[in-house]
Amino acid sequence: ETGVTQTPRHLVMGMTNKKSLKCEQHLGHNAMYWYKQSAKKPLELMFVYSLEERVENNSVPSRFSPECPNSSHLFLHLHTLQPEDSALYLCASSQEYSASYEQYFGPGTRLTVT
Amino acid sequence: RKEVEQDPGPFNVPEGATVAFNCTYSNSASQSFFWYRQDCRKEPKLLMSVYSSGNEDGRFTAQLNRASQYISLLIRDSKLSDSATYLCVVKVQTNAGKSTFGDGTTLTVKP
Repeated sequence: ETGVTQTPRHLVMGMTNKKSLKCEQHLGHNAMYWYKQSAKKPLELMFVYSLEERVENNSVPSRFSPECPNSSHLFLHLHTLQPEDSALYLCASSQEYSASYEQYFGPGTRLTVT
Repeated sequence: RKEVEQDPGPFNVPEGATVAFNCTYSNSASQSFFWYRQDCRKEPKLLMSVYSSGNEDGRFTAQLNRASQYISLLIRDSKLSDSATYLCVVKVQTNAGKSTFGDGTTLTVKP
């Protein structure tokens, strides 16, 4: 399935690096999400965008900076990360930012911070 | 108390068995309910939505009990390929698109 794509699939970065994760959805959806999933932990919602406006920001450290240039693309800019930020970062989209709609996930970027 | 709680698992069942998972939620304003499956090191994939009247998709049956605030997933005639972690997702009407995920229940189907 190619509804939601993410690049890169794997990323190893040092604590002083700057990198960006990219997400693209081909479903014509209006809402996009970033989640973090650490080992043996449930998904944690990080950010939500609806029609390119940020509508959720769940107390995420400023070293994570999202960007949504249009309704099909979502970025997560990373800088000065910590080893505990190593996790699977999942992008998702839904038709609308509404309780009625299910989310579709991309394959994720597995991030390792050294 | 967590907003969404799932059976801790793991569930280890033989092929062909019937297995059921429950998921309880604490917010009575919860509106939408879903089951996802997540394979090891992969993304969650939507398995099925849960409707008030209950719904069935092949070997899978989902039910909602609003009075007791839980949803269930029943898998009949388990296959080896059903081995995965099953995530319960709940959305609250007053919080738009925010989804609350359960911790997941791990199922292993053995030959």
